[in-house]
Amino acid sequence: DTGVSQNPRHKITKRGQNVTFRCDPISEHNRLYWYRQTLGQGPEFLTYFQNEAQLEKSRLLSDRFSAERPKGSFSTLEIQRTEQGDSAMYLCASSRRESGELFFGEGSRLTVL
Amino acid sequence: AQSVTQLGSHVSVSEGALVLLRCNYSSSVPPYLFWYVQYPNQGLQLLLKYTSAATLVKGINGFEAEFKKSETSFHLTKPSAHMSDAAEYFCAVGEYGNKLVFGAGTILRVKS
Repeated sequence: DTGVSQNPRHKITKRGQNVTFRCDPISEHNRLYWYRQTLGQGPEFLTYFQNEAQLEKSRLLSDRFSAERPKGSFSTLEIQRTEQGDSAMYLCASSRRESGELFFGEGSRLTVL
Repeated sequence: AQSVTQLGSHVSVSEGALVLLRCNYSSSVPPYLFWYVQYPNQGLQLLLKYTSAATLVKGINGFEAEFKKSETSFHLTKPSAHMSDAAEYFCAVGEYGNKLVFGAGTILRVKS
């Protein structure tokens, strides 16, 4: 069991650029979640997948954000035309549907200059 | 809609003292409840979970939490704090097979 892996761990970009984060979940987990965490706050739900189907998206997920899980394994989160307000830690988690508990990766920290 | 309130954004205790971190939840259905811990620049690690079995739940590192339906609470305790317990703790609520909603977190400081 290799755990949830996220890449890159850190990304610094200029405002207006596009960025993409990748998440590799625990292999036998069918659910994959994306959360965003800003300083002093708890993780905020963005979206989640069951296998390759995106089942729910938060209103926090503006049109500039898109997430995919094309083969039901790894997932990508793309942010287009980044803004300074997008600076945050982006957390990925996976789970078995039945268990409820989420297993988190170490996160991808985005800094938008 | 589900929500979590963690009372106290910062808690400071002396090494060896009791740790008490408070969590109140709101849920329209029987909830699943979780406590996670986060060390600096790391992801969240599960401490313990309640899923409608025993109301007193034991977790890792000597932590435990008690589900009290009448008080809609799920407070986290540890009898004796250790320096290594210094971290941020998050309470979360979920429904079966659904996403988790997290509280804002409580930073625990342990004084020597």
